[in-house]
Order: sequence, then structure tokens, then C-alpha cells
Amino acid sequence: DTAVSQTPKYLVTQMGNDKSIKCEQNLGHDTMYWYKQDSKKFLKIMFSYNNKELIINETVPNRFSPKSPDKAHLNLHINSLELGDSAVYFCASSGHPREHQETQYFGPGTRLLVL
Amino acid sequence: GDSVTQMEGPVTLSEEAFLTINCTYTATGYPSLFWYVQYPGEGLQLLLKATKADDKGSNKGFEATYRKETTSFHLEKGSVQVSDSAVYFCALSPYGGATNKLIFGTGTLLAVQP
Repeated sequence: DTAVSQTPKYLVTQMGNDKSIKCEQNLGHDTMYWYKQDSKKFLKIMFSYNNKELIINETVPNRFSPKSPDKAHLNLHINSLELGDSAVYFCASSGHPREHQETQYFGPGTRLLVL
Repeated sequence: GDSVTQMEGPVTLSEEAFLTINCTYTATGYPSLFWYVQYPGEGLQLLLKATKADDKGSNKGFEATYRKETTSFHLEKGSVQVSDSAVYFCALSPYGGATNKLIFGTGTLLAVQP
């Protein structure tokens, strides 16, 4: 069983389009995250949700809107896609938002290419 | 702010060679420290972690010791295999605060040749 799954795995789209990436975890975790990995492999947190509540928003453009319908799902919607949005987007989850020693479990990533 | 610095890659080694990937951090308080590994085309997997000073994390022959005095968490393995070829990320999770987020280093590509 896949612990953290993302769909789609690959996404190729035109500039200006709107797209969504979905994430689901079956670990029973309360907290979920979105990270962006750029072309140089640098990883940076974008958002974190705990029990459907937004707790981290790391100065991400408001074209990016996360949505958590329940604590097992965290989706990422991106409006008006730009070339610079091309990256790999990773979803992750962990058990508690304030326990700094908690391990985060990552999904396989969604490779987004904006043309 | 909190940050992680790790050695630039790529690191190219022959099979059975000794591996060290350096990682140092800047943080207030006592963060938790992690090494994650990313195999080609895959997501990140936790390799090992340490949550307090002098703790040693270990897994699959890899080790790293949390050194508060030198703010370091260097990754070592005594004998690498071709299957260890991957990108290795050092990361910290800040202590306290309202959230649990990972701050990553830039990653180090390891290429092991037969």
C-alpha cells in the first residue's frame, strides 16, 4: 500500500492554464505539506495543513491555493501557470504539527512542466 | 534564520569506498536533524535522523552523529555500493514554534561506480 500518493505523476501544460495536483495519505497523520523542488534539486516548503487548517504559508504567490477537504487529502491548485512554476512538487505528511522530531513521509512527486 | 549547508556534489566514488557527506546547520535551540535520500525518479525517503545532541542515527550502513558543538551532522558509510547512487539531503526541523517544517540543504549527488 502506498503511504503518500500523488496524482498526476507528470503534468505538461501551457502557460496561463490552471491545473491541480492531488495528494492522499493513508497513514492516519494529522499534518500534510507541499514542497517545491526546483531544477537544481533545491527543496523548499510551500504550505502545511493540520486537520484541514492552514498553518504554514511560506510567501508563495497567491496563484497557488491549497485545499484540504479532509485530513487525509491535500490538493494544490495553481492558477495562471508561469514558466517558473516548472518544478517537482512533493506532498508529505507527519503525525503532529509541533513535534519537531516527527518524520515526514513523502509522496513520489509530480513533475510539472509549463511550456 | 535557520539554514542547512551541505557539501557540493557530485561525489564520485568506487564501490566499497568510504563515504562522507558534510552537513552543518544554523538554528536556534535544539532542532531535529535528518538525512533523506532521493533515488533517481523517485520521492524522498528518510534515511536516518537524530533528535538531540550526541544522538547517532543509523540505517542501511549509513551513520550520522548530532554534534551540537560543531553544529554538524555528517553522513558516513564505510563501504558504498552502486545501489547507493542517489541524491542525499540533509535537513533540520526547528525546535519549538507553531509548526513542524523541514529546512533542506541543497542536496549532494552521489555516484558510485563499479
